[in-house]
Amino acid sequence: DAGVIQSPRHEVTEMGQEVTLRCKPISGHDYLFWYRQTMMRGLELLIYFNNNVPIDDSGMPEDRFSAKMPNASFSTLKIQPSEPRDSAVYFCASSDVTGPYYGYTFGSGTRLTVV
Amino acid sequence: DQQVKQNSPSLSVQEGRISILNCDYTNSMFDYFLWYKKYPAEGPTFLISISSIKDKNEDGRFTVFLNKSAKHLSLHIVPSQPGDSAVYFCAASALGGGYALNFGKGTSLLVTP
Repeated sequence: DAGVIQSPRHEVTEMGQEVTLRCKPISGHDYLFWYRQTMMRGLELLIYFNNNVPIDDSGMPEDRFSAKMPNASFSTLKIQPSEPRDSAVYFCASSDVTGPYYGYTFGSGTRLTVV
Repeated sequence: DQQVKQNSPSLSVQEGRISILNCDYTNSMFDYFLWYKKYPAEGPTFLISISSIKDKNEDGRFTVFLNKSAKHLSLHIVPSQPGDSAVYFCAASALGGGYALNFGKGTSLLVTP
């Protein structure tokens, strides 16, 4: 398996623009997570899905952020409009039911810079 | 509020010596504790975990110790190798509270030759 695949690896955008981050989880994993890493807050959970259904979105910072999982092999995280404070590394991770015990598999991340 | 805390942002150790990374937590409902390792420009990778019913778990050079009464865990790496230089994240899960992992902010380990 190719692991969790995220695209793009890097994104630079201007304030006010829409940004879409993409994630392909590992086949057979029924949990998908979006995390954001910043110096100030570390790794924080934004939202997670189980069987394509959003379970906990309490970490989504505000209405400018939205996430979807239209099928088991694809998820998007959208920011509209983007702001400089959204600059961070965004990670997608997936797991099966053993995730809390044996860990999630993370993608390589998308480094977002909003100027 | 940060429920998992790693109070040492960085640690430097000589090759061959023991590295000890520490982690404290505040939520007594946490069931499992995990350590992740992260190299620059890569995602975190799972290293080792421990259940709250155990106090020690070993995997090769890596051992995790859990002290539930003190709400403290530590990762020991013996012997340390230059390839161990990375950022180490402590994480915890509370199954009754959902499936999410709560992460600490990480400790950057540098192993010098």
